Amino acid sequence: DAGITQSPRHKVTETGTPVTLRCHQTENHRYMYWYRQDPGHGLRLIHYSYGVKDTDKGEVSDGYSVSRSKTEDFLLTLESATSSQTSVYFCAITTGLPGDTQYFGPGTRLTVL
Amino acid sequence: GENVEQHPSTLSVQEGDSAVIKCTYSDSASNYFPWYKQELGKRPQLIIDIRSNVGEKKDQRIAVTLNKTAKHFSLHITETQPEDSAVYFCAASIKGSGGSNYKLTFGKGTLLTVNP
Repeated sequence: DAGITQSPRHKVTETGTPVTLRCHQTENHRYMYWYRQDPGHGLRLIHYSYGVKDTDKGEVSDGYSVSRSKTEDFLLTLESATSSQTSVYFCAITTGLPGDTQYFGPGTRLTVL
Repeated sequence: GENVEQHPSTLSVQEGDSAVIKCTYSDSASNYFPWYKQELGKRPQLIIDIRSNVGEKKDQRIAVTLNKTAKHFSLHITETQPEDSAVYFCAASIKGSGGSNYKLTFGKGTLLTVNP
């Protein structure tokens, strides 16, 4: 499983509250990604990181921010959660060059009421 | 940017039959094509991949073919078993040294059901 963990694994929160999801990897891989998965939409990229303090937007970045202050941790923050952000969130890493094979974490199921 | 179309969205087969899932991509520069299997409630897991310098790759009952001219690639599962039931995702990317060549673009997935 490429040493990837996500926390929390499940979370229920209310509209308007801030939420932070954590992705942790143990093998010092440079590239990390956050996806959301919704029925009928597959996996959509939210943000990615190509190094400490180096991040960029994916295709569905509105309403999300990320931070990477150390190699092993990539945080996804919903500043003010909305019901449309109810989803399953997956973190992924690439062990090689960008665009290469990605390995996914176990996922976080987030429900925004 | 890259666009990946995947068909069919659902596929039901009898145990022992073959299953084929097809994907097309838009960016002729794409050079890496992985396939992921996702069981219910689990993470997507890589099952096979192919690079643009190869036309076909096999791993036991699973094979992937690539037609770069037509920009499509397919997953073939032979002798299907109930444990093959899952959602399958194709993806395409430009494997490179950096810049914008960072991401996989995924198809929307195919729900495969293998009936005993």
